[in-house]
Amino acid sequence: KNQVEQSPQSLIILEGKNCTLQCNYTVSPFSNLRWYKQDTGRGPVSLTIMTFSENTKSNGRYTATLDADTKQSSLHITASQLSDSASYICVVSGYGNNRLAFGKGNQVVVIP
Amino acid sequence: GAVVSQHPSRVICKSGTSVKIECRSLDFQATTMFWYRQFPKQSLMLMATSNEGSKATYEQGVEKDKFLINHASLTLSTLTVTSAHPEDSSFYICSASSGGRSYNEQFFGPGTRLTVL
Repeated sequence: KNQVEQSPQSLIILEGKNCTLQCNYTVSPFSNLRWYKQDTGRGPVSLTIMTFSENTKSNGRYTATLDADTKQSSLHITASQLSDSASYICVVSGYGNNRLAFGKGNQVVVIP
Repeated sequence: GAVVSQHPSRVICKSGTSVKIECRSLDFQATTMFWYRQFPKQSLMLMATSNEGSKATYEQGVEKDKFLINHASLTLSTLTVTSAHPEDSSFYICSASSGGRSYNEQFFGPGTRLTVL
């Protein structure tokens, strides 16, 4: 079973609307959680990184939350733009190692 | 800062040939580089981890004689797919870490699309 589960697998939203992506993980002990944006045919680009003590972090229109007790994270996209169409990948790092656990990604399509 | 490049971005080759992919950290020294493979609609799958000047550590199920990794300098790692076959067609992504931060952030390259005919 994958250590990082993301939902929904895919969603379509209208330009200008908001959306929230979910990430649940089982990685333990926990070190940090990252959200990446991956455009089709490109490598992942970091949006946010949060450690155990951080429960929210923003990067422009992207806001990530973390609840380390329930092992859940969310990524909220505000006022979506066409360029937000991409896969958003939740990645969790365990404490004491450099191995990353990847989710399969949330595929977001923004339509005009 | 923290830019990682890959070359080539796309390669098409015949079955049985070898293909070399380069990964460079452009503005920092990467003590550790990682090679991933990604199939459509799937997660990135770690293939191997390499530290500068030492042999790469391969993940279970990844053939080290087929996927040759060289990390000869702090800014360059190469992945050579030897005797490529159509099932090796995939998106190969490298990442690099300087190891300087407590959470060992990895910076990803733009990826290389390999198509084996």
